[in-house]
Amino acid sequence: SAVISQKPSRDICQRGTSLTIQCQVDSQVTMMFWYRQQPGQSLTLIATANQGSEATYESGFVIDKFPISRPNLTFSTLTVSNMSPEDSSIYLCSAALGSGRMNFEQYFGPGTRLTVT
Amino acid sequence: AQSVTQLDSQVPVFEEAPVELRCNYSSSVSVYLFWYVQYPNQGLQLLLKYLSGSTLVKGINGFEAEFNKSQTSFHLRKPSVHISDTAEYFCAVSDQYGNKLVFGAGTILRVKS
Repeated sequence: SAVISQKPSRDICQRGTSLTIQCQVDSQVTMMFWYRQQPGQSLTLIATANQGSEATYESGFVIDKFPISRPNLTFSTLTVSNMSPEDSSIYLCSAALGSGRMNFEQYFGPGTRLTVT
Repeated sequence: AQSVTQLDSQVPVFEEAPVELRCNYSSSVSVYLFWYVQYPNQGLQLLLKYLSGSTLVKGINGFEAEFNKSQTSFHLRKPSVHISDTAEYFCAVSDQYGNKLVFGAGTILRVKS
């Protein structure tokens, strides 16, 4: 298994500002993911963060709004840029454990609860 | 593209009663199926997964799920629930590499004493 921590656990931000969320894994993993969970809703994949290459974004999410870094095999950051109240959500990172291209288990961090005022 | 439908948004049940949380999926390719649990103000914890082999999968905390390919279902069951099982449960399907989880809307299990 993998233990994942996120910082900050919660934050209240003003519109127009940016927040960077950090995700740390206790072991080296090939693939990390960022999800958004809007109030009362399920999780939606934002992007896949691959070490050594640019993140792959899902439909509806763009790099200018959600830039992602993946400097090594245990760490990733997600920035929520130019925030608006609609960005108020829980942001979760996950790490996939598996073999080669096959990653059969994703472990999730505790999430970052973001409120934009 | 994959999709997941969780048929019940909330399931109230008395303590020690059995429970079934329903999940149906659609996919044009072979998939892997997962159930996650989210306790209040916490992240997601993997309950169990189906990759291949036996269609009856046992997970943590006494939960099990049965993969039914003909009905494209992956229902979660527990024969006797506890108050501590109160949480939100998410069914998820992945692509053929086990990545890109697509989640259902979630089912809130409320266990009453």
